[in-house]
Amino acid sequence: DAGVTQSPTHLIKTRGQHVTLRCSPISGHKSVSWYQQVLGQGPQFIFQYYEKEERGRGNFPDRFSARQFPNYSSELNVNALLLGDSALYLCASSLDGRRANVLTFGAGSRLTVL
Amino acid sequence: AQKVTQAQTEISVVEKEDVTLDCVYETRDTTYYLFWYKQPPSGELVFLIRRNSFDEQNEISGRYSWNFQKSTSSFNFTITASQVVDSAVYFCALTETDSWGKLQFGAGTQVVVTP
Repeated sequence: DAGVTQSPTHLIKTRGQHVTLRCSPISGHKSVSWYQQVLGQGPQFIFQYYEKEERGRGNFPDRFSARQFPNYSSELNVNALLLGDSALYLCASSLDGRRANVLTFGAGSRLTVL
Repeated sequence: AQKVTQAQTEISVVEKEDVTLDCVYETRDTTYYLFWYKQPPSGELVFLIRRNSFDEQNEISGRYSWNFQKSTSSFNFTITASQVVDSAVYFCALTETDSWGKLQFGAGTQVVVTP
């Protein structure tokens, strides 16, 4: 079975540019969450989407936005990139019900901002 | 506010030694969940265990064991007879009942197992 897939795996941008990261959840998972992991730190929650609705948002500026599509895949968009946005961006999906908080993570998209 | 503290930044051991990773958490909720995840060099976080706040029974799974103590707000993780493949960063995480997609992670502990 396919796990959580993310694309691209690596990308390099310059300050001020825009980036779109994509995530496909495990089949049957309706919830997608996004996390930012700066080198040497634990992942920080950015967004959660469930059934195409935003369900939670972390402490990130409005330059960060996301959406979930009818097939439950998701995009994370970051505008006006800053050097500090360089990080590993992780997507996670989960089932409903009793296993709703057991997140399965993808391998991440590593963003470098120059 | 919730907080997870992993005071150990890095632990280095020789193969077959036991390793214990400490995790201390803070939360105002009475109902919450605690997790351990493993992050190998490939970067993908791998789920190891989930424990809810009402279940203080300790658990053993193969070479892994977990010690949950509400009285000290700790959820420690032990790897018995460590192997080189255990080398990774291990994260402790917390979520509250109404925030099931939002995990609060600790800073992680790097475990290095040498032959």
